[in-house]
Amino acid sequence: EIVLTQSPDTLSLSPGERATLSCRASQSVSSTYLAWYQQKPGQAPRLLIYGASTRATGIPDRFSGSGSGTDFTLSISRLEPDDFAVYYCQQYDGSKYTFGQGTKLEIK
Amino acid sequence: QVQLQESGPGLVKPSGTLSLTCAVSGVSISSSSWWTWVRQPPGKGLEWIGEMNHRGSTNHNPSLKSRVTISIDKSKNQFSLKVSSVTAADTAVYYCARGERRYDSSGYYLDAFDIWGQGTMVTVSS
Repeated sequence: EIVLTQSPDTLSLSPGERATLSCRASQSVSSTYLAWYQQKPGQAPRLLIYGASTRATGIPDRFSGSGSGTDFTLSISRLEPDDFAVYYCQQYDGSKYTFGQGTKLEIK
Repeated sequence: QVQLQESGPGLVKPSGTLSLTCAVSGVSISSSSWWTWVRQPPGKGLEWIGEMNHRGSTNHNPSLKSRVTISIDKSKNQFSLKVSSVTAADTAVYYCARGERRYDSSGYYLDAFDIWGQGTMVTVSS
């Protein structure tokens, strides 16, 4: 099983700053099968990024994804109050989907 | 637009069977999508349970496989989840989702869960 480890667990930033969230895989992941989701309290996750770097429909260009192999990054430029949430990375290895444990992005 | 809505009992007794349904609207369940279940224990992260397509092909999380049954009802445009022999560890918010595996309009391959239900809390307790 491929284990995804996200860092940091919690990131405290102010609106207007840039956020950089990391997702590290226990073994190589095809970029095609790496996605990022945003989840706010009491809500379902929302797809942000798929294929490691492609924004989903309606996602602003402040969100960007990058990386390959075992290291992937979600960046959010110019944080807005609505961006403070928990972010999960997800991978598919051909037989099973797994998620990272999540990074909580909180207002400093 | 495409919407998913979970329904089912909020309380299940230990050793019993958890049964949930996901009603799909705005798209035919016979489309090329994979109909998916994901759960989230209180205060914890997300766990993929399994998926099914309209042809009846299924994939399950090996950690749950022997207890999980996913089925599709084309006549009602809905799909269902059953988890048998439940324990307190199965207490979670259960989400249904649409899994897509296709090329998008720009030619990029999409393999992700793009539409989610609002989730339903299931507690296992006597």
